[in-house]
Amino acid sequence: KQEVTQIPAALSVPEGENLVLNCSFTDSAIYNLQWFRQDPGKGLTSLLLIQSSQREQTSGRLNASLDKSSGRSTLYIAASQPGDSATYLCAVRESGSRLTFGEGTQLTVNP
Amino acid sequence: KAGVTQTPRYLIKTRGQQVTLSCSPISGHRSVSWYQQTPGQGLQFLFEYFSETQRNKGNFPGRFSGRQFSNSRSEMNVSTLELGDSALYLCASSPTRTSGGGETQYFGPGTRLLVL
Repeated sequence: KQEVTQIPAALSVPEGENLVLNCSFTDSAIYNLQWFRQDPGKGLTSLLLIQSSQREQTSGRLNASLDKSSGRSTLYIAASQPGDSATYLCAVRESGSRLTFGEGTQLTVNP
Repeated sequence: KAGVTQTPRYLIKTRGQQVTLSCSPISGHRSVSWYQQTPGQGLQFLFEYFSETQRNKGNFPGRFSGRQFSNSRSEMNVSTLELGDSALYLCASSPTRTSGGGETQYFGPGTRLLVL
């Protein structure tokens, strides 16, 4: 059974800092890994998707890497801003459209 | 293109009642999945529908059921509600089920269900 773990559970940083969020998964037989952002009480916004054959994806200040063999992914956020404050979730896609999620990292960026 | 829509957005029910939630996927998307999000259990997969057929099911009791219509809209039903069913219910859509892993799943805003 696939298990996804995210570290740390919570993170508080000053504005402008670069930061790394970690995600690990137990079964490397995945189609892809997605990083999502969730604001309080809201749905999920997809940030980046990395296919199993890829090593990294970039979008603006975000960079996500994937090491499938070791079951790890990282989300790098450059020059953090208060608007980045949210919960960040990683999810792996296995069979069909089923996603298995981690518990999330709650990020607070202080002005 | 309009995003994934879910109705209603908020719902209050009492124990023992039943509830039906609706999800309209992005136009052209044929796969719809449902998830339950609670503070204690996080996001858990309920089921997936594609071409009006349930393709995958999570570890939830039979009180949770769903269906998909020919226009890809989906409904989920929870019968005999329990206090523990209070949660944010999210649906997600994607064009197909499998395509080599390159498809993003898009989530709706969710329906927040409170069971009293």
